Amino acid sequence: EAQLVESGGGLVQPGGSLRLSCAASGFTLSSFSRYWMSWVRQAPGKGLEWVASMKEDGSEIYYVDSVKGRFTISRDNAKNSLYLQMNSLRADDTAVYYCARLVRQPVFYMDVWGKGSTVTVSS
Amino acid sequence: QSVLTQPPSVSAAPGQEVTISCSGSGSNIGSNSVSWYQQFPGTAPKLLIYDNNKLYLGIPGRFSGSKSGTSATLGITGLQTGDEADYYCGTWDSSLSAGVFGGGTKLAVL
Repeated sequence: EAQLVESGGGLVQPGGSLRLSCAASGFTLSSFSRYWMSWVRQAPGKGLEWVASMKEDGSEIYYVDSVKGRFTISRDNAKNSLYLQMNSLRADDTAVYYCARLVRQPVFYMDVWGKGSTVTVSS
Repeated sequence: QSVLTQPPSVSAAPGQEVTISCSGSGSNIGSNSVSWYQQFPGTAPKLLIYDNNKLYLGIPGRFSGSKSGTSATLGITGLQTGDEADYYCGTWDSSLSAGVFGGGTKLAVL
């Protein structure tokens, strides 16, 4: 069974940095390297917000406007891992961050989700 | 303000049917497929419907999806108290080059 496990969340001061990791396992039918991957976040008491997506080989990357220039999505297919480097963090970045497997082109849906990693930006 | 518009809440009695709407525009729902997710408090979202109307693995047939123009609908029949959750629609927006979700709909089974 496909599984995603996020790590790296925590408390950080405004302006600080944090790197989230997502470890993938059990992609039995197709390997991690054949899937788009995404980060989705959810602020306390709010709805889901798509953050970023990355193609299998990293040739296509997309971000929500509010994180462009501050966040960087990356992956290491040899390690079955996805990352989100978050810099210049702001209070409104406080959220649970989910890693999700994305099925893309021509469709768009996220079929496997991690349990989430909590990021709190506060002084 | 979400790109996709959902009603904040819907309710119905056990055993009844409910629909949740998701309204967008030509650059998102109008030109891309819609997916639906169920989320219980404190847990990760779970995929229910993909490609507008396809039931994901293990999801009961009480759930259904449809799309017409720039709107999509999630239907749930034979409501159970265990269906009480938040429901989100999602798709790709070709103009924004971004994924987009609706604001979510809280379902109450009264």
